[in-house]
Amino acid sequence: IQLTQSPSSLSASVGDRVTITCRASQGIGTYLAWYQQRPGKAPKVLIYAASTLQSGVPSRFSGSGSGTDFTLTISSLQPEDFATYFCQQLNSYPRTFGQGTKLEIK
Amino acid sequence: QVQLQESGPGLVKPSQTLSLTCTVSGDSIDNGDFYWSWIRQPPRKGLEWIGYIYKSGSTYYNPSLKSRITFSVDTSKNQFSLKLSSVTAADTAVYYCARESFRETIDYWGQGTLVTVSS
Repeated sequence: IQLTQSPSSLSASVGDRVTITCRASQGIGTYLAWYQQRPGKAPKVLIYAASTLQSGVPSRFSGSGSGTDFTLTISSLQPEDFATYFCQQLNSYPRTFGQGTKLEIK
Repeated sequence: QVQLQESGPGLVKPSQTLSLTCTVSGDSIDNGDFYWSWIRQPPRKGLEWIGYIYKSGSTYYNPSLKSRITFSVDTSKNQFSLKLSSVTAADTAVYYCARESFRETIDYWGQGTLVTVSS
């Protein structure tokens, strides 16, 4: 299953609301997770089951979608949110990731 | 708190076998319904899922690498391992070991280890 994220990169300011989309090449129900990766660090899960917030993750992060179209929204960007974001499908094997969205400071 | 730590050589020669071990602490590999996974990330690129091994020893390998991969698990040492044979420069990457909660998420990751394939 191929996952296509858009945009590939995004410039935004602190306080902005941003949305990243992930489209699957076939239906995956809600078996989708979102990760944040800072430079030189391992990814960290933000959202799983498309819309469930991982424990400890700030509530400004939210996810939605099902089937083939999914979104990750950050309601009010904070300085620590500038990073790369990946989606992953866990519906079938092999697991696959989106190509990533790099969120940069404007 | 579950922690994973990769270990192994940082430099491997072309055509040789890359071997990595992941040591799990904070919980037993035998506990729960988790899938112990390997993921890699070439420099400045995206994430590639390599496969998983279950506590029973059952495995699933990414078809793109299947002919070259072998996973193993040692529950007595709380470790699982990866061997990737016939490596080329294209196998240069940061290799992560991780734990998947089945069909939910990868909830724990190792810090990652860079393996460079070069003569």
